Amino acid sequence: GQQLNQSPQSMFIQEGEDVSMNCTSSSIFNTWLWYKQDPGEGPVLLIALYKAGELTSNGRLTAQFGITRKDSFLNISASIPSDVGIYFCAGHNYGQNFVFGPGTRLSVLP
Amino acid sequence: EPEVTQTPSHQVTQMGQEVILRCVPISNHLYFYWYRQILGQKVEFLVSFYNNEISEKSEIFDDQFSVERPDGSNFTLKIRSTKLEDSAMYFCASTQESSYNSPLHFGNGTRLTVT
Repeated sequence: GQQLNQSPQSMFIQEGEDVSMNCTSSSIFNTWLWYKQDPGEGPVLLIALYKAGELTSNGRLTAQFGITRKDSFLNISASIPSDVGIYFCAGHNYGQNFVFGPGTRLSVLP
Repeated sequence: EPEVTQTPSHQVTQMGQEVILRCVPISNHLYFYWYRQILGQKVEFLVSFYNNEISEKSEIFDDQFSVERPDGSNFTLKIRSTKLEDSAMYFCASTQESSYNSPLHFGNGTRLTVT
């Protein structure tokens, strides 16, 4: 079946640093989604990408839909303590299920 | 902003007991999902539901699981005879349609603990 890989698995950064994480797939997706999950809560949608090559921002977050439609990256600028959590990517094709990556766990050190 | 709501937030049950997890999807959404997340692991698809029937289910969703939309607002997941390995966070999600520009919205989950 379709699988997504995320890297890095986990990262520790200093407050104020920029963060970059990515998501890759062996198959094509027409939609890429990025979610953040805080401990004990459900994933919250951060950014949705619908077009290959699209670059979309949401505050300090920027995500891009890879031109091959097999990857996406998420950048966080000037990280703050509340950025701590697990970041999941998800791929979707029309009429099919959403496929989730294993997540990138982000820790922000003060 | 409209939300997916789930109850209870935490359910503790004994092995072999039946549990029902409840969800109220966003009101104008048509597609409903249950996902499971074992502690520290990825979000796993269980089942999708549209037009009062199951659209797709994973191999996790065996005969012990069932879903129902008993009225116009609730969407439930029943586990008939719980096992220890059913302990996990269960997330309900919904989307307006299955088109390319309708992302998934999750509830805050029900933590199920089977003892």
